[in-house]
Amino acid sequence: GAVVSQHPSRVICKSGTSVKIECRSLDFQATTMFWYRQFPKQSLMLMATSNEGSKATYEQGVEKDKFLINHASLTLSTLTVTSAHPEDSSFYICSARGGGWGKNTEAFFGQGTRLTVV
Amino acid sequence: KQEVTQIPAALSVPEGENLVLNCSFTDSAIYNLQWFRQDPGKGLTSLLLIQSSQREQTSGRLNASLDKSSGRSTLYIAASQPGDSATYLCAVGGGADGLTFGKGTHLIIQP
Repeated sequence: GAVVSQHPSRVICKSGTSVKIECRSLDFQATTMFWYRQFPKQSLMLMATSNEGSKATYEQGVEKDKFLINHASLTLSTLTVTSAHPEDSSFYICSARGGGWGKNTEAFFGQGTRLTVV
Repeated sequence: KQEVTQIPAALSVPEGENLVLNCSFTDSAIYNLQWFRQDPGKGLTSLLLIQSSQREQTSGRLNASLDKSSGRSTLYIAASQPGDSATYLCAVGGGADGLTFGKGTHLIIQP
């Protein structure tokens, strides 16, 4: 299967700072990338969908000014958590689908990023 | 809005047993259904992907079925092993939309 690389795998930051998480498709061009968040003992929840070269679409309840998503190239999307607070501590994971693929093809997932805000 | 429910939430069985994990979803208009495995503190491992036109998929000791009209899927694990201990997630969706996940079944296989 296709490979999606997410970096960093783990980050600890101070409250009020910003953190950037990268998601790269290594062997395919990802026209669509998805960002999910998982709180402890909860399911993964879709935060936003981004298409290369256009603005991300955010799910209801997700603050677009706090979670900045940039999908500037076909192989890279970034999620920046701005002015992070302890309640933003969570597991963030991205997935990517290739352009031209059928709508029933799977999206491939990165390894996830464990964010802890202290 | 799509909702995915997984039953049971937790399961503990002795090694060697065959077991079934259940997943139900409210909106049958899906492109595909996936089963994932998640180990504690780790990312997702894709186990099986069933297209909306398919009825089942098999991989080794795993077999997943899909009844789209009734909004149900089952994951069958044969001859369970301690290494199968993990949280199993069911997710539906695909297409231009992301996946909707269930809360998972936390599985413990006792040696």
